[in-house]
Amino acid sequence: DAKTTQPTSMDCAEGRAANLPCNHSTISGNEYVYWYRQIHSQGPQYIIHGLKNNETNEMASLIITEDRKSSTLILPHATLRDTAVYYCTPSAGNTPLVFGKGTRLSVIA
Amino acid sequence: KAGVTQTPRYLIKTRGQQVTLSCSPISGHRSVSWYQQTPGQGLQFLFEYFSETQRNKGNFPGRFSGRQFSNSRSEMNVSTLELGDSALYLCASSLGYRGATDTQYFGPGTRLTVL
Repeated sequence: DAKTTQPTSMDCAEGRAANLPCNHSTISGNEYVYWYRQIHSQGPQYIIHGLKNNETNEMASLIITEDRKSSTLILPHATLRDTAVYYCTPSAGNTPLVFGKGTRLSVIA
Repeated sequence: KAGVTQTPRYLIKTRGQQVTLSCSPISGHRSVSWYQQTPGQGLQFLFEYFSETQRNKGNFPGRFSGRQFSNSRSEMNVSTLELGDSALYLCASSLGYRGATDTQYFGPGTRLTVL
């Protein structure tokens, strides 16, 4: 069963902000929203996670709506190396991760 | 700090053979999870090991097995290989405590092709 809904694909101009939305309306109270990305058949790379407050790290920012039913991952200045499939997933930490189809982000020069 | 390492990176086997894949977690991580990723089925959980014990198991046949050593390194074995076992096998490590912020970090994967 799909736990998340994400756009199939998105384009972003190099140097601009990439905003990737995710709907996770069935998220449980003890689950965080995790974001990973996967570059062409490499292992998924952890990006960021959050519970209900907005989060920022060196890679990205995460905005979570007050009702926690959706979130947006923001890559502030996208580069060609950010081209990847991005997955959001609710997770209670060390439990099996479930990825949906993800969003294929193409950063265009 | 070194990341999760997996060996070998690529493997070609024939039907009926068996294969062993290896995973070394991030230093200090005690939990190792294994996943299978295919274009059709996406990411599927195989099993998780913590302190040399299988703590969780996905819905895969008994041909898929694993183990964890005292240094937290883990191996998974697939016996009697089938064509459908061709996939990217991913290992993810985490600290292992039961908390919502125990993040899993993935290795580069082993690409298994069964001919």
